[in-house]
Amino acid sequence: NAGVTQTPKFQVLKTGQSMTLQCAQDMNHNSMYWYRQDPGMGLRLIYYSASEGTTDKGEVPNGYNVSRLNKREFSLRLESAAPSQTSVYFCASSEGRGFSGNTIYFGEGSWLTVV
Amino acid sequence: AQKITQTQPGMFVQEKEAVTLDCTYDTSDPSYGLFWYKQPSSGEMIFLIYQGSYDQQNATEGRYSLNFQKARKSANLVISASQLGDSAMYFCAMRVSTGRRALTFGSGTRLQVQP
Repeated sequence: NAGVTQTPKFQVLKTGQSMTLQCAQDMNHNSMYWYRQDPGMGLRLIYYSASEGTTDKGEVPNGYNVSRLNKREFSLRLESAAPSQTSVYFCASSEGRGFSGNTIYFGEGSWLTVV
Repeated sequence: AQKITQTQPGMFVQEKEAVTLDCTYDTSDPSYGLFWYKQPSSGEMIFLIYQGSYDQQNATEGRYSLNFQKARKSANLVISASQLGDSAMYFCAMRVSTGRRALTFGSGTRLQVQP
């Protein structure tokens, strides 16, 4: 059972480089999310996609772009990486368009270091 | 806007004892869900328990129970019979029925179970 798969798991970037974090889910979920987790803090929402073809900004969107390529895939791009973007990134997905108690499923996280 | 507050940065508990992790929340939305996640040192987010705002009874899942006090806007996690494997970060989170419908997280509580 794959669930939510995100790649790469670890990445070191130099300041100014660009990269894309990939995320795919195999649960036919409508909604997908990207979060970041800084040391000693909870997860903060970067971007989310309520359904295929739609994306919206979350709490901390600056410096990031996203693409909802299809229902399965939701990628996060850093156009010009900065040391402040050193963090652990989590992709997540959930079913349903409306509110429900449906569990949100998380990927295993991607550790990104910008030097 | 939603807010989750976890006021205990760290907690210690003896093995086999019960422990309560505090969580208070703030939202003006009458329909919402409250979640608890466990994050071990390996980093993955593990869903533990869910409580809906209209649920009449407190949620229970094995050794986990959620002490939901709606009037006080609190949703404390109770872990009974603590085990060494319970040592981890614990996050309280909330999801509302309007707007983003993404999870909003607290800052977490680090629980250490001592033998």
